[in-house]
Amino acid sequence: GIQVEQSPPDLILQEGANSTLRCNFSDSVNNLQWFHQNPWGQLINLFYIPSGTKQNGRLSATTVATERYSLLYISSSQTTDSGVYFCAVGQGAQKLVFGQGTRLTINP
Amino acid sequence: KAGVTQTPRYLIKTRGQQVTLSCSPISGHRSVSWYQQTPGQGLQFLFEYFSETQRNKGNFPGRFSGRQFSNSRSEMNVSTLELGDSALYLCASSQFGPGANVLTFGAGSRLTVL
Repeated sequence: GIQVEQSPPDLILQEGANSTLRCNFSDSVNNLQWFHQNPWGQLINLFYIPSGTKQNGRLSATTVATERYSLLYISSSQTTDSGVYFCAVGQGAQKLVFGQGTRLTINP
Repeated sequence: KAGVTQTPRYLIKTRGQQVTLSCSPISGHRSVSWYQQTPGQGLQFLFEYFSETQRNKGNFPGRFSGRQFSNSRSEMNVSTLELGDSALYLCASSQFGPGANVLTFGAGSRLTVL
């Protein structure tokens, strides 16, 4: 099956810093989503981005499908950005394969 | 409109018991997927239902089962609970047609097995 690798596993930054999270996947996919898991466990959908680039405020994401990776950029980090960021890939909406996540800690 | 609703949010069971979790998708969404999250295994796909039919199943034992009703609400059941079944169970829904690939998750049901 598809393998998903996220890096780095942990990231600690000061408020205001920028960060780049990476997601590598082992096979072609037509579904790629980035999620933020809040401290209460809920997964919040950030981007649906099987290819190309999208931006939403301080967050943006780029997926290069031919090279099988995706990047999530967070600019001007805030403490509320803390949490675990997951990349999930798959064929269609069924059976998404999740990476192990990047735990981001933003210190004031 | 209301999001994905999961009940109960927290529950404690003992080994050998069974549990039923419920998921109400976003109005109009016809696909419901279930995922298990544990510290050791991460997020793993359990199964997916569309129009009352199971379309996909993950690698879990037969103790894990589910169903979907005509109103798209879904339930999952775990029988003969084991300690390792302690986990956060997450349900997600997606719409039919354009946007079908985008999953919206509920807040989860946190199961503790003692």
